[in-house]
This record gives sequence, structure tokens and C-alpha cells, in this order.
Amino acid sequence: GNSVTQMEGPVTLSEEAFLTINCTYTATGYPSLFWYVQYPGEGLQLLLKATKADDKGSNKGFEATYRKETTSFHLEKGSVQVSDSAVYFCASFDYKLSFGAGTTVTVRA
Amino acid sequence: NAGVTQTPKFQVLKTGQSMTLQCAQDMNHEYMSWYRQDPGMGLRLIHYSVGAGITDQGEVPNGYNVSRSTTEDFPLRLLSAAPSQTSVYFCASSEKVAYGYTFGSGTRLTVV
Repeated sequence: GNSVTQMEGPVTLSEEAFLTINCTYTATGYPSLFWYVQYPGEGLQLLLKATKADDKGSNKGFEATYRKETTSFHLEKGSVQVSDSAVYFCASFDYKLSFGAGTTVTVRA
Repeated sequence: NAGVTQTPKFQVLKTGQSMTLQCAQDMNHEYMSWYRQDPGMGLRLIHYSVGAGITDQGEVPNGYNVSRSTTEDFPLRLLSAAPSQTSVYFCASSEKVAYGYTFGSGTRLTVV
């Protein structure tokens, strides 16, 4: 089955810094890939997705590119804000949706 | 507002008690799932359903039952609560899983 490994946290950054969260997947086929975000006390929200190789998902200044050759889907944002403080989950869907362990990001003013 | 509604938001149970966590969606989604979230372990799939009358086990099904008698509702039953079931439980639904899930706001369960 499919599985996801993402960068351990926590990650602490200053406002306007560059953010990268690494995510790699294993799957027998070509899964759909997702990044979800969880703000404190809330459920998960879909941040972005990509359904095939070389697709780039983007939303709210975040981007991730589906790299089949490296089985990766790293999340990036060029200039973070305090409001980006949250837990970020990478996920893949093959025949079921599997999540990584989550990366806690804290952005300081 | 359209979405996934979970009740209750908080619950404390004694060991051995049973209870049902409710989940309802009004988006006519076929796919529904239950996850538990534990620190450092991400979200683990408990049970899922691909349509009314069809359910299947996920990664950690032991101690939980589900049924899907309607498209809208997907309750999760704890048969005999144990401290190891202390967790935050999320219900999610999707028209098509490759499109991404919509999550409820969660139920925080404590078993003492």
C-alpha cells in the first residue's frame, strides 16, 4: 500500500522567511498527492493537491510539485506570515488516503 | 452551511463504557472516513465507506464499529472504551477521494 514520510518538526521561522517541508511517498501506482493544513483547535483543510507527475499545486502562496522521479511532493512558501503557523500534513491517495505524521510550523513576528 | 458535522466536540468516558460519535455531511458525498489523530503519529484510518451500505476497515479498526445506512451519516461506535482510545477523532467526506477530503472539526475523547 501507499505511505508518506514527511519532515519532522517542529519548525520555527521568522516572518518573511522561506519555508520548505519535505515529503516523500511510496506507492505501487501513481497516487494523488495532497497537503493539508490544521490550524490550532480546528480540523484539517485541503491546502493544495496534484494528481499526476509534474503537476504543481498552489494556494495561498504555497506550492508543491509532484516529482515522480524522486517520489516527492515538497511544500514551499517564499515568505511566511505569522498566520501560517499551523500543522501541515502531506497525504497520498492510492486506494486509500494515507497521511504523514505532520510538521508543526511556528512563525514568529 | 454545507460541510461535515461531528458531535459531540468533547467527551469523557469511563473505561468499559460505550458510545457513538456522530458524523453527518450534506454534500451528497459517497466517500466517508474516520481517522484518529495522536501526537507524533499523524492521522490513522479507522474505518471508511465508499457508499451507503458499504464499509471497510482501515489501519486501526479494533475496538470500533461503523455502519452506513444513509449517504449522509457515518457514525463511529466505541464498543468498550479503553484509555488507549483517548484521541481526537475526525470524520471526513469526499465526492471522489482524489479530489481531497472535507474534514469535520473533530471530537476530543478522553477515556479514564
